[in-house]
Amino acid sequence: DAGITQSPRYKITETGRQVTLMCHQTWSHSYMFWYRQDLGHGLRLIYYSAAADITDKGEVPDGYVVSRSKTENFPLTLESATRSQTSVYFCASSEIAGSQPQHFGDGTRLSIL
Amino acid sequence: AQSVTQLGSHVSVSEGALVLLRCNYSSSVPPYLFWYVQYPNQGLQLLLKYTTGATLVKGINGFEAEFKKSETSFHLTKPSAHMSDAAEYFCAVSDTRGATNKLIFGTGTLLAVQP
Repeated sequence: DAGITQSPRYKITETGRQVTLMCHQTWSHSYMFWYRQDLGHGLRLIYYSAAADITDKGEVPDGYVVSRSKTENFPLTLESATRSQTSVYFCASSEIAGSQPQHFGDGTRLSIL
Repeated sequence: AQSVTQLGSHVSVSEGALVLLRCNYSSSVPPYLFWYVQYPNQGLQLLLKYTTGATLVKGINGFEAEFKKSETSFHLTKPSAHMSDAAEYFCAVSDTRGATNKLIFGTGTLLAVQP
């Protein structure tokens, strides 16, 4: 099915562990984004990518790593998870033009104990 | 830098009543503006967008928004609320006229619809 898929939908892990959240889109969109959503903060941009092998920091990048070896995949890694990274994470993609909307996945709810 | 302010984190209306969700933006260049809706345990879905042209924009599910440059506003309205409209709504403005495709989101307004 066409669209944007995030996995897993739910994840519980412990502080200090490494965890990777996956994002896959089937539209061949150039741009991909990772956001975290927290009460009172709306959505905050963690990292984004304009194309394969091109990534850049967003508003809250500390503690996160991304890669984009293929256009369709944009994994987000927490190298050493902390409790403050407990959040709902959303991946999105869009076509090149800035007037085009971003399309969102259903999110990953991550709990760090 | 661009920014978005959504007035009212919680709005409650009766079924059949007018829905008005407020959004004000700050942008140094003509903006692209978006409204998204989020239902529980789901991602954001596009309701409508303003890029250029007609300032009154119609979206899905009977929603519309009007771009008012003089007021730097992009308020979302619906004439008659349905129970199914209960959700969280986010206003967003494009960053630097879309040069990076980044969006700046407001903190959201949770809409409750009372029977």
